[in-house]
Amino acid sequence: AQSVAQPEDQVNVAEGNPLTVKCTYSVSGNPYLFWYVQYPNRGLQFLLKYITGDNLVKGSYGFEAEFNKSQTSFHLKKPSALVSDSALYFCAVRDDISSGSARQLTFGSGTQLTVLP
Amino acid sequence: DTEVTQTPKHLVMGMTNKKSLKCEQHMGHRAMYWYKQKAKKPPELMFVYSYEKLSINESVPSRFSPECPNSSLLNLHLHALQPEDSALYLCASSQAGQGPNQPQHFGDGTRLSIL
Repeated sequence: AQSVAQPEDQVNVAEGNPLTVKCTYSVSGNPYLFWYVQYPNRGLQFLLKYITGDNLVKGSYGFEAEFNKSQTSFHLKKPSALVSDSALYFCAVRDDISSGSARQLTFGSGTQLTVLP
Repeated sequence: DTEVTQTPKHLVMGMTNKKSLKCEQHMGHRAMYWYKQKAKKPPELMFVYSYEKLSINESVPSRFSPECPNSSLLNLHLHALQPEDSALYLCASSQAGQGPNQPQHFGDGTRLSIL
């Protein structure tokens, strides 16, 4: 079984400040982790995925994610936030040993990021 | 611009109507998905097609009927829907048979309202 938790429903940050959106996961096998962003009235847009062996993964629009195996976390980060980064962010996980529908992507509950000008 | 195209963008229908949602991708992906998403919530998986065959049905009511006519197209036929079916319906696609690290690519969805 697999699960993912996003402990913060809402994150507010001032423009130009660093941002972090938290994600922790639980899987039976090896974790395959993804971050997606959703802007209003749009679908989910792929930002980045965990690559085995890389503890810091770089993605689109200046985002990166830090993988920590001991803390089972995959936090999304950006050094300097933009107002245009304001959106809903989803962490997702799947593993490599489940079968059927359990093998599909499991999404976190989402974190609304607001970047204040 | 998204590489997965969904039509229509908006749909309003009565509970007795029959309508269809359409999804098209030209990325050569052989796995395609339908999700239902309520406002500010994560997407909920409905159906998965792999190599044009239905591989997963997440116990979706029969008033939703998926169809995959070819490797680029995915339809969702709707009939006798209920007000609680109002939601954003998302289509996604991904590489198939390439391991679990393949990301899904989403369309912008069809916003469905049931009167």
